[in-house]
This record gives sequence, structure tokens and C-alpha cells, in this order.
Amino acid sequence: GDSVTQMEGPVTLSEEAFLTINCTYTATGYPSLFWYVQYPGEGLQLLLKATKADDKGSNKGFEATYRKETTSFHLEKGSVQVSDSAVYFCALSDRNNNYGQNFVFGPGTRLSVLP
Amino acid sequence: ETGVTQSPTHLIKTRGQQVTLRCSSQSGHNTVSWYQQALGQGPQFIFQYYREEENGRGNFPPRFSGLQFPNYSSELNVNALELDDSALYLCASSLVQVNEQFFGPGTRLTVL
Repeated sequence: GDSVTQMEGPVTLSEEAFLTINCTYTATGYPSLFWYVQYPGEGLQLLLKATKADDKGSNKGFEATYRKETTSFHLEKGSVQVSDSAVYFCALSDRNNNYGQNFVFGPGTRLSVLP
Repeated sequence: ETGVTQSPTHLIKTRGQQVTLRCSSQSGHNTVSWYQQALGQGPQFIFQYYREEENGRGNFPPRFSGLQFPNYSSELNVNALELDDSALYLCASSLVQVNEQFFGPGTRLTVL
């Protein structure tokens, strides 16, 4: 079945450092790819998405490119802030047999940014 | 536009009991999905409802069941609670065939 693998955390960076969180996936079809962020005590918020190969999703300085040849969707940000401290989840969605979408999430990567 | 809401926020039950969690979809959304997120892990798909019928199910036993109502709100029911059911339960709403889901804040269930 479909699966998502992420780099293990926690990741600890100093403010203004460059961020990369690796994500690779396995899927039988042509999934859409997502990054979600979860702040302490809250639900998941969509950060960015890409729906086909070579698409680049971007939001709030974060970006990720859908790489079909390497089945990857790595998250990057050029200069992180303390407020970016959260857990980041890579996810894919694939159409199921009943008109819906099956979402599969990675285990999450905790990011801590120090001032 | 009202976002996804869930109730209650926190819940404590004992092993063997039954629990019902509730979710109100974002306005205009006709599909609801439920996820279980154990501590330190990613959300695991439980099931999805569309047009008041189950529209996909993850690897969860039948004691996890759900309902969707005509106003697209939804319930998740769990019977015969086990200790391992302790988790954050997330509800997400969307439009069918649209691959973007909007999540509620979750219900934290503790089973003692």
C-alpha cells in the first residue's frame, strides 16, 4: 500500500538557518503530495501542496517540489524563525475506489528553532 | 466561513466503555474523514464518510464505527475501549474528489 517516510527528528536549528526536511513516498497511482504543520495542542494545518510531477508548492517561505523520478517531496525554507517550531507532516492522497481520497501521513518531524 | 469543530476537547474513559466523538464540517464540505493520532506519531486514517455512507476505511476493527448526518456533521463511535485507543482523534472535512482536507483541533481521548 501507499506509504510516506520522513527524516527522523527532532531537528534543532538556530534562527535564520536553512531548513530541509526529507520526505519520500511509495504509491501505486499518481498521488498529490502535501506538507501539514501541527503546533502544540492544535490540529493540522495545510502548509503547501503539489498535485503533479515537477509542481512546486510554496507558502510562508516554505517550498517543496514534487519529484516523481526520486519519489520525493522535501520541505525547505531559507531562513527559519522561532515561530516555525512545530511538527511537520508529509502526506499523500490517492483516489480510492469510492470517489474519495485516501490520505497517508508520515510520522512527523519535530522542528525546534532556537533564538 | 466556519472551520471544522470537534467536541469534546478532552475525554477520559475506562477500558471496556464506549465513546462518541463529534465533528462539524467546514461550511460547504460534504465529506468527513476521521484519523487517530497516537502520541508522537502521524495521523492514521480510520474512515471517510460521503453522502452518509462509509466511503473508505483504514486498518481499524469494526468496533470503530461512524455516522454522517444530512448536514454533513459526523460522529465517531468506539466500543469496548482498549488502553491503546488513547490518542488524539482528528476530524477533517473536504469536498469529495477534491484532495485538500481541513482539520479540526481534535479530541484527546484517554483510556484508563
